[in-house]
Amino acid sequence: GAGVSQSPSNKVTEKGKDVELRCDPISGHTALYWYRQSLGQGLEFLIYFQGNSAPDKSGLPSDRFSAERTGGSVSTLTIQRTQQEDSAVYLCASSRGRSTGELFFGEGSRLTVL
Amino acid sequence: GENVEQHPSTLSVQEGDSAVIKCTYSDSASNYFPWYKQELGKRPQLIIDIRSNVGEKKDQRIAVTLNKTAKHFSLHITETQPEDSAVYFCAAGGGADGLTFGKGTHLIIQP
Repeated sequence: GAGVSQSPSNKVTEKGKDVELRCDPISGHTALYWYRQSLGQGLEFLIYFQGNSAPDKSGLPSDRFSAERTGGSVSTLTIQRTQQEDSAVYLCASSRGRSTGELFFGEGSRLTVL
Repeated sequence: GENVEQHPSTLSVQEGDSAVIKCTYSDSASNYFPWYKQELGKRPQLIIDIRSNVGEKKDQRIAVTLNKTAKHFSLHITETQPEDSAVYFCAAGGGADGLTFGKGTHLIIQP
């Protein structure tokens, strides 16, 4: 596709359930990021994948959060046992190389935990 | 890791006036400093970036300056227009880690 694709665009879940958010980056982009944006807030870094290197997971807020990137392309962010404070927009972005290139963001997945 | 501080969190200016947003960073290995604009309900998009081998870059009404010694960089918007109203994010990267963003500045253009 032409841009970064994220799904679902909206997800409403009950507290305690697990959710999976998907990101399909731009073809050929080796770097992939996940950010979290709460209402009216900034971009909170979660995790960064670069090629075949071990991901930088330093931003994951708890062990309920995990992410993987299969075949250097599609990435899935998993949140287990969701809590109300997990409610936010989860943004995925990709870029050609390391951290010195333009990031292209997806539209985001809006997660609401009831 | 990198730490990026951004000020102010909210900036209100009269249409036609200039706006300046400032950021500082902590990692001297960072060598790439982009600025993103996020309009309400939309995704962030790159508006201008600067690399550490230059001190200033201009693109029409937008300019960015970089002071590597002091580890700070700024966004300057001249002749502001209503469509400039948005949240602006600075970022720093190029070191061992990925791109780190500031907390954002909500720019309001008063008619």
